[in-house]
Amino acid sequence: DQQVKQNSPSLSVQEGRISILNCDYTNSMFDYFLWYKKYPAEGPTFLISISSIKDKNEDGRFTVFLNKSAKHLSLHIVPSQPGDSAVYFCAAIGGTSYGKLTFGQGTILTVHP
Amino acid sequence: GAVVSQHPSWVICKSGTSVKIECRSLDFQATTMFWYRQFPKQSLMLMATSNEGSKATYEQGVEKDKFLINHASLTLSTLTVTSAHPEDSSFYICSAPPRTTYEQYFGPGTRLTVT
Repeated sequence: DQQVKQNSPSLSVQEGRISILNCDYTNSMFDYFLWYKKYPAEGPTFLISISSIKDKNEDGRFTVFLNKSAKHLSLHIVPSQPGDSAVYFCAAIGGTSYGKLTFGQGTILTVHP
Repeated sequence: GAVVSQHPSWVICKSGTSVKIECRSLDFQATTMFWYRQFPKQSLMLMATSNEGSKATYEQGVEKDKFLINHASLTLSTLTVTSAHPEDSSFYICSAPPRTTYEQYFGPGTRLTVT
């Protein structure tokens, strides 16, 4: 049962343009969402997060949007840079399971110069 | 930001032997640490929650006798893969949440290859 889904396995974007990565979830108990960036053979690096009481959180080039009614969140990267090329995972926390992250399958982002 | 280290970063062992992987929080204390496993081109799957001073809790389908977890101190958790088999070959990653935040910090991972 995949509670967090990233339906796009890959995304290719031109440098300078916007990258939009999407994530859907099914568990209404999730109340905190995170995005991680991961390079091969390395651990994930935290990017940005959002609480369920908000619908937007922005940090520099990264903005996360949350639509609770649709159980959907997205990560916007603008402008995209070649160094952003990596695998992006969305993750969710909820209920009483403090700290237990449920991950999506990941989206491979490639930013072309 | 907070730093989590893992050792070793890469290990090869023979089938039937055991291997220990260490996870350390370097600049914060972690009463809880998490162990994940990632297969190629797949997501990170939570294996178990390591609790300082008490037994680890394992996710469904994870053999607790095969994957021994010990949370020896507030900064160290170890995962021992016992009687390793080739199907245990994977990328193992630990994480730890600083007490005051939901965000978790991940170690760099350990690549285990069982021959």
